[in-house]
Amino acid sequence: GENVEQHPSTLSVQEGDSAVIKCTYSDSASNYFPWYKQELGKGPQLIIDIRSNVGEKKDQRIAVTLNKTAKHFSLHITETQPEDSAVYFCAAKTNTGRRALTFGSGTRLQVQP
Amino acid sequence: DTGVSQDPRHKITKRGQNVTFRCDPISEHNRLYWYRQTLGQGPEFLTYFQNEAQLEKSRLLSDRFSAERPKGSFSTLEIQRTEQGDSAMYLCASSVNGRITGELFFGEGSRLTVL
Repeated sequence: GENVEQHPSTLSVQEGDSAVIKCTYSDSASNYFPWYKQELGKGPQLIIDIRSNVGEKKDQRIAVTLNKTAKHFSLHITETQPEDSAVYFCAAKTNTGRRALTFGSGTRLQVQP
Repeated sequence: DTGVSQDPRHKITKRGQNVTFRCDPISEHNRLYWYRQTLGQGPEFLTYFQNEAQLEKSRLLSDRFSAERPKGSFSTLEIQRTEQGDSAMYLCASSVNGRITGELFFGEGSRLTVL
């Protein structure tokens, strides 16, 4: 089955700096790659996603890149703000076999004011 | 509030007791998922339903776990003879089948503590 690895597990940046979180996946049939943000005491919430026919997607300060050949994808947050502090999860889904998302282990992002 | 609703939010129980969690998905969503999340880890897939049919179960879902979605609306997750290793956050999510991306909308979870 699919295996998603995520790093780093923790990331501390100064307000205004950029943050990058990287994930790799194992199943070449995976075609959907969302990123979720989880704040303390809440469920994960989708912040951006990308499909395998696209190499990059951007939404304001957030961007995701996908390298299908290398089977990795990354989340980029620019101009970080204290409210970006949370745990971020990458995930992958395939259209064959399991139809549910497989999540990475998460990155705790701390933005220092 | 039209989001995914889970009840109870917190449950403390003694080892060996049975517990049941309820999930009410977003009303027009026909897919419903259960995930388990332990501290410092990502959500782990347990099972999912399309309408009332349970289409897949993870190997994590031992025979002490059972999930139902009797009328294709709300779902329950029951854990029998709880063990300390069952302590976790149980997350429910729903989505609309047929959408290309299948975005999952998560509830706030039910936290289980087994003493």
